[in-house]
Amino acid sequence: DAKTTQPNSMESNEEEPVHLPCNHSTISGTDYIHWYRQLPSQGPEYVIHGLTSNVNNRMASLAIAEDRKSSTLILHRATLRDAAVYYCILRDPGGSQGNLIFGKGTKLSVKP
Amino acid sequence: ETGVTQSPTHLIKTRGQQVTLRCSSQSGHNTVSWYQQALGQGPQFIFQYYREEENGRGNFPPRFSGLQFPNYSSELNVNALELDDSALYLCASSLGVSSGEQFFGPGTRLTVL
Repeated sequence: DAKTTQPNSMESNEEEPVHLPCNHSTISGTDYIHWYRQLPSQGPEYVIHGLTSNVNNRMASLAIAEDRKSSTLILHRATLRDAAVYYCILRDPGGSQGNLIFGKGTKLSVKP
Repeated sequence: ETGVTQSPTHLIKTRGQQVTLRCSSQSGHNTVSWYQQALGQGPQFIFQYYREEENGRGNFPPRFSGLQFPNYSSELNVNALELDDSALYLCASSLGVSSGEQFFGPGTRLTVL
């Protein structure tokens, strides 16, 4: 499976936008880009996923580079509740296994 | 709609003992995956069950085994516990093996002394 690279940690101020980067230079044509987040003392939570086009949902936006070698998760207005570890994961839905491969993710801190 | 639930929430065992962790999947989900999360690390895939059959396994020894029942709930069994088995064990359910959207439970915190 292709790997992803994320910064270990980032800081944001409350009510400001946050851009969380992810590099995936070895992504294959069939890999989807998934983002999950894990709040303290909870299991991971699905955020968003996409293949080529930018995606928006109620939680966040996903901006995918034209060459697909990088992507950015955008939280439009960070709240204290958004403080979590954010994981960028590549997954081929046609792969033999249905598992998610987590790295260490980016720990996002949100200051009031 | 009930989310994914896991029991127990916490558990303390001693080295060499056996443990069974339980997971109830989200209503309508036929696929359950188990993950182990050590402190400060991302979750690591243990195995996945789809319609009561194992559908893939990560790099874990055979003393980690599982079951999925006709109602799609699942168990994770670990024999001959080792100190390094201390971790948060997460269960995730999904609708089919191809779905990238997995719904995680809150986990079971296992401590091995």
